[in-house]
Amino acid sequence: NAGVTQTPKFQVLKTGQSMTLQCAQDMNHNSMYWYRQDPGMGLRLIYYSASEGTTDKGEVPNGYNVSRLNKREFSLRLESAAPSQTSVYFCASRLTSTGDTQYFGPGTRLTVL
Amino acid sequence: EDQVTQSPEALRLQEGESSSLNCSYTVSGLRGLFWYRQDPGKGPEFLFTLYSAGEEKEKERLKATLTKKESFLHITAPKPEDSATYLCAVQAGTGFQKLVFGTGTRLLVSP
Repeated sequence: NAGVTQTPKFQVLKTGQSMTLQCAQDMNHNSMYWYRQDPGMGLRLIYYSASEGTTDKGEVPNGYNVSRLNKREFSLRLESAAPSQTSVYFCASRLTSTGDTQYFGPGTRLTVL
Repeated sequence: EDQVTQSPEALRLQEGESSSLNCSYTVSGLRGLFWYRQDPGKGPEFLFTLYSAGEEKEKERLKATLTKKESFLHITAPKPEDSATYLCAVQAGTGFQKLVFGTGTRLLVSP
């Protein structure tokens, strides 16, 4: 049971480049989440998917898009990266959309030059 | 607006020196308070969930408690391997999807 996996672990982009962060979970969870973590700030929600086929904006969605590919996979896309998107990105999942525990992946450290 | 404040920002303890971390919150209708541990370069690791005032949970040297306004993470006789950042998050009645996180307490336990 791998839990939540993310690829890549590290990435360096130039301003204006695009990339997709991948996330997969093998816990048969229905809900999946993308967060960013910046120094001095708490984890902030970018987008979430309450169930397969649905996605919604979180607290800081600007500059990002997501795709819930199937029940297991939830990707985050940066169409035109900006230095302000330099951050550590975490994917999380939980069984249902309410109340129970979110489990996190190991993170992707992204630097935009 | 839902808000979570953790204190202190950083805490340095000697091995065996017990202490407590604080998480105070302002939410409209608490649906759950979560504690996570985060090691450098890794994702948050789940520790506890508390749902109602008066509830307590324990795991090894850690005990989490909850009141109507705050939660404490008590660390009894800590060891160097307890060194990590401890994150607190709340889920409120409005907006079930969202966890609101505090900025964490960095704990360093010296041998």
